[in-house]
Amino acid sequence: AIQMTQSPSSLSASVGDRVTITCRASQGIRNDLAWYQQKPGKAPKLLIYTVSSLQSGVPSRFSGSGSGTDFTLTISSLQPEDFATYYCLQDYNYPFTFGPGTKVDIK
Amino acid sequence: EVQLVESGGGLVQPGGSLRLSCVASGFTFSDRYMEWVRQAPGKGLEWVGRARDKAHSYTTEYAASVKGRFTISRDDSRNSLYLQMDSLKTEDTAVYYCTRVGTGSDGYNGGFDYWGQGTLVTVSS
Repeated sequence: AIQMTQSPSSLSASVGDRVTITCRASQGIRNDLAWYQQKPGKAPKLLIYTVSSLQSGVPSRFSGSGSGTDFTLTISSLQPEDFATYYCLQDYNYPFTFGPGTKVDIK
Repeated sequence: EVQLVESGGGLVQPGGSLRLSCVASGFTFSDRYMEWVRQAPGKGLEWVGRARDKAHSYTTEYAASVKGRFTISRDDSRNSLYLQMDSLKTEDTAVYYCTRVGTGSDGYNGGFDYWGQGTLVTVSS
């Protein structure tokens, strides 16, 4: 199975900060990489699919990039509602695998 | 409005069985791949399995951790997705989410774009 790692595992940031989260796959996954946001007690929410396609309704401060094995989620200016845990997911081959998550909290 | 509503969770003893249901509305259920994803208490997300649509013969895929114990099925006439869980283990304790696959550029790679609220399964003696 493809292993997904994320870094950092957690970070503290302030409103307005630029935040970058990295996801690395143990082998190439083409562009089959998505990002999800989850808040406590809630279902995950799709932010980005196929590396850089912004899901409808998601603010443009969220962006994704990368290729092959290394991918990045960037929040250009962190807003209060963005404090949450973020997961990457490879849906390149089975079994699909999520990264362990990155918790973004308030500095 | 797209809605996914799971039900069927509860407390079950190790070795027991449980069947989860997910009723979909607000879209053409029969056209979409559907997934199950779970989350153990305080842990990350784990993909459980996929159900393809009629055009792809309703075939399924499973995580290694559940293969041979869990069965995913769907009833397009009822807009429903099911997860039959047998030989349950304590490590199957989790919130189980039903999700829809977005269309994306090739019809099936648009991420998991809608999620239900989840249903809690607790496996304990």
